[in-house]
Amino acid sequence: EAGVAQSPRYKIIEKRQSVAFWCNPISGHATLYWYQQILGQGPKLLIQFQNNGVVDDSQLPKDRFSAERLKGVDSTLKIQPAKLEDSAVYLCASSSLPQDRGNEQFFGPGTRLTVL
Amino acid sequence: SQELEQSPQSLIVQEGKNLTINCTSSKTLYGLYWYKQKYGEGLIFLMMLQKGGEEKSHEKITAKLDEKKQQSSLHITASQPSHAGIYLCGADASGTYKYIFGTGTRLKVLA
Repeated sequence: EAGVAQSPRYKIIEKRQSVAFWCNPISGHATLYWYQQILGQGPKLLIQFQNNGVVDDSQLPKDRFSAERLKGVDSTLKIQPAKLEDSAVYLCASSSLPQDRGNEQFFGPGTRLTVL
Repeated sequence: SQELEQSPQSLIVQEGKNLTINCTSSKTLYGLYWYKQKYGEGLIFLMMLQKGGEEKSHEKITAKLDEKKQQSSLHITASQPSHAGIYLCGADASGTYKYIFGTGTRLKVLA
């Protein structure tokens, strides 16, 4: 079974530029998560999708971040414009169960973003 | 809001030594997960605990959830360099379906 795929693996941009990340979850997984992990910290949930609908985006900085999951499969996360403090690893995860407790998440390798 | 605190923040042990990492929650845990992360990579699921007093083992790693379901420990027996990495506890936040993580414990094992 293929795991969660993410691209690119690394990205370096200058502040005020735009950037987009792509995630392909495990086939059949209804729930998709985007996390931001700043160096030395645990992952922070940015947005959670159930199929193509947003379940939780309370911690997504909506003035600059946007995410979509068209057709309930792949997802993209965009930052526009980027700030220095956006430098982090962006992790995508998916799970098979919709919002249930006891729900193992499968993580992709992450995209490391550096904003100069 | 619920928070997960891990201790210690970092740990350096000699190969072959045992070690314990703790994860303490400010509220009752409904599902506690342990993950391992290598630098710059995604998280690898280790174990999930749901019931008070539950204990699970996988190879040389044992995780326990206390009876009150507010603290979990991860114990590694006879550590090896392959155990090095960042260990993260995650949980279903009490009263929500939001997933939260601890700050992580960075483990280094000296050969």
